[in-house]
Amino acid sequence: DVKVTQSSRYLVKRTGEKVFLECVQDMDHENMFWYRQDPGLGLRLIYFSYDVKMKEKGDIPEGYSVSREKKERFSLILESASTNQTSMYLCASNLLAGVEQFFGPGTRLTVL
Amino acid sequence: GEDVEQSLFLSVREGDSSVINCTYTDSSSTYLYWYKQEPGAGLQLLTYIFSNMDMKQDQRLTVLLNKKDKHLSLRIADTQTGDSAIYFCAESPGSSNTGKLIFGQGTTLQVKP
Repeated sequence: DVKVTQSSRYLVKRTGEKVFLECVQDMDHENMFWYRQDPGLGLRLIYFSYDVKMKEKGDIPEGYSVSREKKERFSLILESASTNQTSMYLCASNLLAGVEQFFGPGTRLTVL
Repeated sequence: GEDVEQSLFLSVREGDSSVINCTYTDSSSTYLYWYKQEPGAGLQLLTYIFSNMDMKQDQRLTVLLNKKDKHLSLRIADTQTGDSAIYFCAESPGSSNTGKLIFGQGTTLQVKP
C-alpha cells in the first residue's frame, strides 16, 4: 500500500520562528511536491523536486525553501514564519511523469 | 499560462445526481483528473481521463471531456452523504514532463439527507 506521511497533522508556531515540515514517501518515487491549500484558491504549488538535491520553484515559492537530501524525504522550510503562511500544507509524490500523484494527510500550520 | 477553474460549491439531495464542472486552458494537456478530499484528509485520486477520450465511466462516476471547449465534468449518480467532500479538477500540462499538476479551486459538494 502506497504511503506518503507528513511529520505533523497540526502545528502552531510564532511569527519569526523557523519551521520545518517533513514529508516521507515509501514508494521510491522520483518526484515530490509541496502545495499549500487555502479556501477558494485550491492547491498552489510551492516547490517540487524531481531527484535528490534537485528542486524547482512552483507558483508561490516566496518565503519558503526546500531540501531533498534523500530520495524518500522532502522538507519544506519557512525561514521566518509569518501570519500569512497560516495554511494547510500538502505533500505529494509520483513517479517521473507518472499518472497519479499520491498525497499525504496534510499539516495544518497556524502562525500566531 | 495554464489555469483550471471550478465553481466553489454544489448542494444536492441524497439520491440525486451531482455534476461538477471544470474548465481548463492548456489544450495540450495529456491527462485530466478528479481528486476527492474528505474532511481532515489529503487528496485521493477518484478517476482520470486521457485527453484522446471523450468519456469514461467507473461505477457511479462518469467523466465527460469536451476538448473543443476545454470542459471537463464529473457526474456522480445516486449521490450519497458519504460523497460529501471537496472535489478538485486537475490537468497535467503538455509543456511539463515532470508529473506536475495544475489544480482548480475545488468544489465543495454538500449532500443533504
